[in-house]
Amino acid sequence: EPEVTQTPSHQVTQMGQEVILRCVPISNHLYFYWYRQILGQKVEFLVSFYNNEISEKSEIFDDQFSVERPDGSNFTLKIRSTKLEDSAMYFCASSEDTLLGYTFGSGTRLTVV
Amino acid sequence: RKEVEQDPGPFNVPEGATVAFNCTYSNSASQSFFWYRQDCRKEPKLLMSVYSSGNEDGRFTAQLNRASQYISLLIRDSKLSDSATYLCAVVGGYNKLIFGAGTRLAVHP
Repeated sequence: EPEVTQTPSHQVTQMGQEVILRCVPISNHLYFYWYRQILGQKVEFLVSFYNNEISEKSEIFDDQFSVERPDGSNFTLKIRSTKLEDSAMYFCASSEDTLLGYTFGSGTRLTVV
Repeated sequence: RKEVEQDPGPFNVPEGATVAFNCTYSNSASQSFFWYRQDCRKEPKLLMSVYSSGNEDGRFTAQLNRASQYISLLIRDSKLSDSATYLCAVVGGYNKLIFGAGTRLAVHP
């Protein structure tokens, strides 16, 4: 079964450092997303990406965040200057057709110290 | 009003029990609805889509009531392996998936 791949599975970084979280969506999917889940809280939408541009972003997705699709397969989330409160699980998701559902990667656990 | 609301539970049920989860959504224009399952510290996994006509997959039945903006999930003959958090999800604007906070289910022997 096709899957969404995320790397790394766990990243520890110092406050103020930049991190890049990587995702390889399912190859024929057109819609890409990043979500985050702070421990014990709900899964929150960050950003959606379609046709090589951001289609929507949440209030959480401020200027410290950016997304890129640098080539035909990767989809990255960059956090420019990490804060303690950025510690969370970050999930990438992709969808071929939003009527059919969204497939999530296994996530990157980001710990900011 | 929250976009998607669920009873957080937990629901503690014995094996073999039938359990039902409810979810309400605020955007009447929403077109697609799903139930996801999430195990502890894992990604959400699609359990089933929810259609107006209702749909069934083995022990799981999902229903949608558009007039009341209400979605339900029924699990029959609960197994220990059904223990997880069940997330209601609704597609909002720009095809973004919006999750409820989840309902925790614990099935005990």
